[in-house]
Amino acid sequence: AQSVTQLDSHVSVSEGTPVLLRCNYSSSYSPSLFWYVQHPNKGLQLLLKYTSAATLVKGINGFEAEFKKSETSFHLTKPSAHMSDAAEYFCVVSDKEGNTGKLIFGQGTTLQVKP
Amino acid sequence: DAGITQSPRHKVTETGTPVTLRCHQTENHRYMYWYRQDPGHGLRLIHYSYGVKDTDKGEVSDGYSVSRSKTEDFLLTLESATSSQTSVYFCAISAAGTGTYEQYFGPGTRLTVT
Repeated sequence: AQSVTQLDSHVSVSEGTPVLLRCNYSSSYSPSLFWYVQHPNKGLQLLLKYTSAATLVKGINGFEAEFKKSETSFHLTKPSAHMSDAAEYFCVVSDKEGNTGKLIFGQGTTLQVKP
Repeated sequence: DAGITQSPRHKVTETGTPVTLRCHQTENHRYMYWYRQDPGHGLRLIHYSYGVKDTDKGEVSDGYSVSRSKTEDFLLTLESATSSQTSVYFCAISAAGTGTYEQYFGPGTRLTVT
């Protein structure tokens, strides 16, 4: 069975400092992994995806994530936080069993960016 | 942005009344999904569809039904709304089955049951 754990429910950083949002996964299959972002009162937007190509994945708005199979991790990083990055972030793993396209969501990490 | 719309965007209804939420896509994707989002629970799958008239249950399907008579439309019905169904509902689409698994989400419907 597939699962995903976001290790921090809330992260606070100062503008201009690095961002690290942590995610561990469990999967019986070679996983597809995603990060989604949700700004207040908005829908979810795909930030980046890993689908067994390069282990370092670059996404929109300067975010990137590294797939580490040995650590079963897929942490999201950004070198320098911007006020507009304040949002909720979801780490997601695909449930490839049955090829239903279902996704399994982490509980979310709220990123606060202080001026 | 993927062409997904949801209607209505906001609705307030009374306990015991039926409610139907609509999701419409212009991408011709085979798979469509309904989620609810509640504080502390993230997104939970209610029902999904893998083709016209083909649907299946998700993890929180009790009290909900769905229908898909056309590729582009996926309806979620609360037969008799309860206060526990107050939530934000999101529709998503996917091209799963073609080797890609990401989903694209609509803007959401905020439903309040009084």
